[in-house]
Amino acid sequence: DVKVTQSSRYLVKRTGEKVFLECVQDMDHENMFWYRQDPGLGLRLIYFSYDVKMKEKGDIPEGYSVSREKKERFSLILESASTNQTSMYLCASSSPGSGRRNEQFFGPGTRLTVL
Amino acid sequence: AQSVTQPDIHITVSEGASLELRCNYSYGATPYLFWYVQSPGQGLQLLLKYFSGDTLVQGIKGFEAEFKRSQSSFNLRKPSVHWSDAAEYFCAVGGGSNYKLTFGKGTLLTVNP
Repeated sequence: DVKVTQSSRYLVKRTGEKVFLECVQDMDHENMFWYRQDPGLGLRLIYFSYDVKMKEKGDIPEGYSVSREKKERFSLILESASTNQTSMYLCASSSPGSGRRNEQFFGPGTRLTVL
Repeated sequence: AQSVTQPDIHITVSEGASLELRCNYSYGATPYLFWYVQSPGQGLQLLLKYFSGDTLVQGIKGFEAEFKRSQSSFNLRKPSVHWSDAAEYFCAVGGGSNYKLTFGKGTLLTVNP
């Protein structure tokens, strides 16, 4: 089975702190994704990566950056956390190919609270 | 632009009753369609997917979904709901060379004993 793990289930940070959310997958997937999930807004794509060191902006990249130095790891960075970034963050991965790239496998999520 | 509509925000059913969750999509080409389930505080688990072929697809936990191109729908069904099915359900669409998966806003399922 595909396993996607996220470094923390719950995280509490202060406004202005730099925050790192880590995601690791063990299925040698080329594609990795970061979403945030908010009540009433559903899942929104922040960034995705289709290869090491490659990244593409999603629908809401403002205030975030990402890093992918190794195939299995995809990091989401909040350069200066703000209270409106309090949310559930979900990482996902998928293999290449038509259809397969859309079949995404999700991690358990990180509930981030910014005070 | 691709989009997904789940008309029902919240559905309540009795345990043992049948279930149908609605999903309508908008996509300019042949869609790839998915249903995911999310238990409280958890990530999303893939229930089933449609890429091509037979329009009735079977998934895990006894769920099935039917792709109806003429109605742009991909409704999720289960003949007899169990209390453990209480969760939020998301329909999603993607396709072609597009990496993006577009999700509906979700339907929260409550199961009464």
